[in-house]
Amino acid sequence: GAGVSQSPRYKVAKRGQDVALRCDPISGHVSLFWYQQALGQGPEFLTYFQNEAQLDKSGLPSDRFFAERPEGSVSTLKIQRTQQEDSAVYLCASSLAPHRGLDQPQHFGDGTRLSIL
Amino acid sequence: GIQVEQSPPDLILQEGANSTLRCNFSDSVNNLQWFHQNPWGQLINLFYIPSGTKQNGRLSATTVATERYSLLYISSSQTTDSGVYFCAEEGAGNMLTFGGGTRLMVKP
Repeated sequence: GAGVSQSPRYKVAKRGQDVALRCDPISGHVSLFWYQQALGQGPEFLTYFQNEAQLDKSGLPSDRFFAERPEGSVSTLKIQRTQQEDSAVYLCASSLAPHRGLDQPQHFGDGTRLSIL
Repeated sequence: GIQVEQSPPDLILQEGANSTLRCNFSDSVNNLQWFHQNPWGQLINLFYIPSGTKQNGRLSATTVATERYSLLYISSSQTTDSGVYFCAEEGAGNMLTFGGGTRLMVKP
């Protein structure tokens, strides 16, 4: 499809398990972002890639969270030893380029709803 | 850091009514986007509007960057307009900072 694709759509895991969430950005988009959305709140920034380089990971809540984009296209967000507070919707967004002054909106995927039991 | 505040937090409208949603931001705007999050959780781009006015059908938006606010106008509201409306500002690091959203319910 033409949009940002995320999988799985839903993920249920037991506390302590590791999970991996996938994001397939719009073809040709240089910038890729991960956001976390808790119930009833707005999305919050986790990390940012420009091609394969992770330029900002200041939003990752702990060292249990790890993201990669090894070939500058598909990205994976991994959460190790999951805890109940990790339950949230994880959104991926991509944009064509990071250049300012141009019309480069971020386009969001449908998200992965993660539930930790 | 950047702070984005939206008002009102909740809004109930009768179908056909008009409304204005407001977004205040604390820093000079590089990029401001309005989104609609539908009941299925999908974030739909409405406007990319760092300044000026844009219109798309029954929706329009205005950003006054010098006064650090943006407005989203919904005219002749429909039940399908229900959901949460977010504004988000792009900071120096390219990431978006979202407001808390306005939860809109349009009743038939």
